Amino acid sequence: DGGITQSPKYLFRKEGQNVTLSCEQNLNHDAMYWYRQDPGQGLRLIYYSQIVNDFQKGDIAEGYSVSREKKESFPLTVTSAQKNPTAFYLCASSLTGTSGQETQYFGPGTRLLVL
Amino acid sequence: EDQVTQSPEALRLQEGESSSLNCSYTVSGLRGLFWYRQDPGKGPEFLFTLYSAGEEKEKERLKATLTKKESFLHITAPKPEDSATYLCAGGNSWGKLQFGAGTQVVVTP
Repeated sequence: DGGITQSPKYLFRKEGQNVTLSCEQNLNHDAMYWYRQDPGQGLRLIYYSQIVNDFQKGDIAEGYSVSREKKESFPLTVTSAQKNPTAFYLCASSLTGTSGQETQYFGPGTRLLVL
Repeated sequence: EDQVTQSPEALRLQEGESSSLNCSYTVSGLRGLFWYRQDPGKGPEFLFTLYSAGEEKEKERLKATLTKKESFLHITAPKPEDSATYLCAGGNSWGKLQFGAGTQVVVTP
């Protein structure tokens, strides 16, 4: 079954702690994305990657970091510099990421809560 | 700056009561208009892509249409299982999607 998996489903962060959210896809897609979803707001792009070992900042990259060492994997680290990390985080992928015509497919999401 | 606005924010329908959701957009060089369905606590599920004004697509009780300034998602004779948040997004010429805040639909029996 092809798809996108995210783990964990829930994550708790303590003050000053970095936490990493996992995203894996087996769709053979080149492009992967991280979005943040807050109540009453649209999905906002954090980072995206169109190819291994390359990634670009989205609209709200401050306080986040990513890596893309494998085509299948695009982990997101929420650093202690992100002062308001409580949100629902969604990972997505698409075929190439170079066209606004491409469908992005989403994972099930990770909810991050601050202790 | 790309912008997508959805209305209404919330919609409560009786089972069988048809209605429409609106998605107004200003997206640079729009390449595609996407509709997704999102259930509480889950990731968005893809429904439709529309590429040009005048295009329509249907799936069960849902029909999406596109004009040069907005898109509509028509829900015909909805059932309780159609309750969800419906998101629209515009894809621009750089390959990025701009999402609206969504319309939360509740269908009561």
